[in-house]
Amino acid sequence: DIQMTQSPSSLSASVGDRVTITCQASQDVNYYLNWYQQKPGKAPKLLIYDASNLETGVPSRFSGSGLETHFTLTISSLQPEDIATYYCQHYDSIPYSFGQGTKVEIK
Amino acid sequence: QVQLQESGPGLVKPSQTLSLTCTVSGGSMRGGAYYWTWIRQPAGKGLEWIGRVYTSGKTNYKPSLKSRVTISLDTSKNQFSLRLMSVTAADTAMYYCARAQLIEDAFRIWGQGTMVTVSS
Repeated sequence: DIQMTQSPSSLSASVGDRVTITCQASQDVNYYLNWYQQKPGKAPKLLIYDASNLETGVPSRFSGSGLETHFTLTISSLQPEDIATYYCQHYDSIPYSFGQGTKVEIK
Repeated sequence: QVQLQESGPGLVKPSQTLSLTCTVSGGSMRGGAYYWTWIRQPAGKGLEWIGRVYTSGKTNYKPSLKSRVTISLDTSKNQFSLRLMSVTAADTAMYYCARAQLIEDAFRIWGQGTMVTVSS
């Protein structure tokens, strides 16, 4: 099974800050990597698919990059509504798996 | 637009079988190229992919759960289902159903989730 490791596990940043979350795959997953945002009590929401494609309706302050084993999710200017936990997920091979999550808070 | 809704018992006794249904509304499950998927999340923890059924009926399961899991499709009812046998407390979680496309395999549509507790 492919293991996905996110860092940091949590972060605290100020409104307007640039925030970067990394996701490391235990083996090459090509670009088969998605990012989700989950707010408390809600189902996850797709933000980025295929490593770098912004899902329709998602604000442009979110961006994704990376390939093979190293990926990043960037929020260019953190907003209060971005408070959530973020997950990466690979779909290179069965079983699919998620990172452990990165909780983003406002300082 | 397509919506998903999970349903099933919120409490299951240890060693029994957990059975959940995901009802699809706003579109037909027939045709299309979709993976109908189950994902779970223990309270305060991360997401775990359980398995999926393709539009054709072909299934894939997480190997560590494969001996206990069955996911099936009922297109006449516009539903798909999860059965998890021999449950233990470790199976206590929020269970989500979700849909992904064959191309751009990402979970764009999710149910709201249903909490299942395994306890006597």
